[in-house]
Amino acid sequence: ETGVTQSPTHLIKTRGQQVTLRCSSQSGHNTVSWYQQALGQGPQFIFQYYREEENGRGNFPPRFSGLQFPNYSSELNVNALELDDSALYLCASSPLVNVNTEAFFGQGTRLTVV
Amino acid sequence: AQSVTQLGSHVSVSEGALVLLRCNYSSSVPPYLFWYVQYPNQGLQLLLKYTSAATLVKGINGFEAEFKKSETSFHLTKPSAHMSDAAEYFCAVTQNSGYALNFGKGTSLLVTP
Repeated sequence: ETGVTQSPTHLIKTRGQQVTLRCSSQSGHNTVSWYQQALGQGPQFIFQYYREEENGRGNFPPRFSGLQFPNYSSELNVNALELDDSALYLCASSPLVNVNTEAFFGQGTRLTVV
Repeated sequence: AQSVTQLGSHVSVSEGALVLLRCNYSSSVPPYLFWYVQYPNQGLQLLLKYTSAATLVKGINGFEAEFKKSETSFHLTKPSAHMSDAAEYFCAVTQNSGYALNFGKGTSLLVTP
């Protein structure tokens, strides 16, 4: 059973560009959540996808968008990158939409915006 | 809104000493509480969770936490620290919606020989 995998592990983008981060959920998991972790901070909830539909969203602007595919993998897209978008982006999958079940986290994608 | 506050951004203990990491929660309803650990350059790993069953929760790697409603606390403890316990620890609570987590700012644990 493979765990949650994220790609790429690191990338550098220029302010104003667009970026796509990818996440493969753990086998059998239909729910994927994305979190942003700024340096020295705890993760902040961006949004969650359940069966290809957005199931909830945190306090992030619309330039943060996502997709979930039929195989339950997911993408996080960020448009018009800003310097403050520099962070570790974490993907978490779980077998049920209820967060009280354990969420399994990937290793994250470190995004640097210059 | 549900939130947690972690007291102490850095904690240093000697190998073999007691580990105590503090977490207080703010919740208008009975909360579900979690402790996660993050090793350098890695994602988060669940240590334990409280879901209103037993107030003393045992987790992996010898950690445990006690839910105290009167103190609105959910402190993480381990009787004897090991060098491999050095990591960042996050306390988290479910949001009102029930589908996402609100994390604290984290406590960095340093274990010295």
